[in-house]
Amino acid sequence: DQQVKQNSPSLSVQEGRISILNCDYTNSMFDYFLWYKKYPAEGPTFLISISSIKDKNEDGRFTVFLNKSAKHLSLHIVPSQPGDSAVYFCAAIWGNEKLTFGTGTRLTIIP
Amino acid sequence: SQTIHQWPATLVQPVGSPLSLECTVEGTSNPNLYWYRQAAGRGLQLLFYSVGIGQISSEVPQNLSASRPQDRQFILSSKKLLLSDSGFYLCAWNSGGAHLTQYFGPGTRLTVL
Repeated sequence: DQQVKQNSPSLSVQEGRISILNCDYTNSMFDYFLWYKKYPAEGPTFLISISSIKDKNEDGRFTVFLNKSAKHLSLHIVPSQPGDSAVYFCAAIWGNEKLTFGTGTRLTIIP
Repeated sequence: SQTIHQWPATLVQPVGSPLSLECTVEGTSNPNLYWYRQAAGRGLQLLFYSVGIGQISSEVPQNLSASRPQDRQFILSSKKLLLSDSGFYLCAWNSGGAHLTQYFGPGTRLTVL
């Protein structure tokens, strides 16, 4: 049972444009959400997070939006840069501090 | 600052051989520690987690085991590797409590032949 879903396995975006990565979840108990970025053969690096009491969190070029009623979150990257090309994982957590990850979306920024 | 180390970075082992992957964290005390495996099309799968020395929780039944002999050391082991154990293994830590973000090590690429 995949409780966190990233339905787009890949996404291509022109450099300078906005990248929007989506994530859906099914467990209404999740109360904290995170985005990680992963390059090949490296560990994921933490990007940005959001608590369920908020609907938006912004950090530089990265903004995460949370729609609790739709059980949906998204990561916006603007402007997109070539170094943003990577696999992005969303993750959710509640209570016992175990992260549940989505399957990832491979973002490719086209110069 | 906190750092997390994993070794080896890559490993090639024959089927049936034993395995020991090590993870250590520096710069923090009593971290929560986690072992994940990244599999194609399945994201990051949690294998084990530990909230203290000698305390191990297993998430999925498998051919692997974990141990935490010291506060900042987490070991992933197997007595006999299977072909299906090939993958990219990641160790992660967090401070627990209100600190929910986990931080990952560089990973170990294991190939079982």
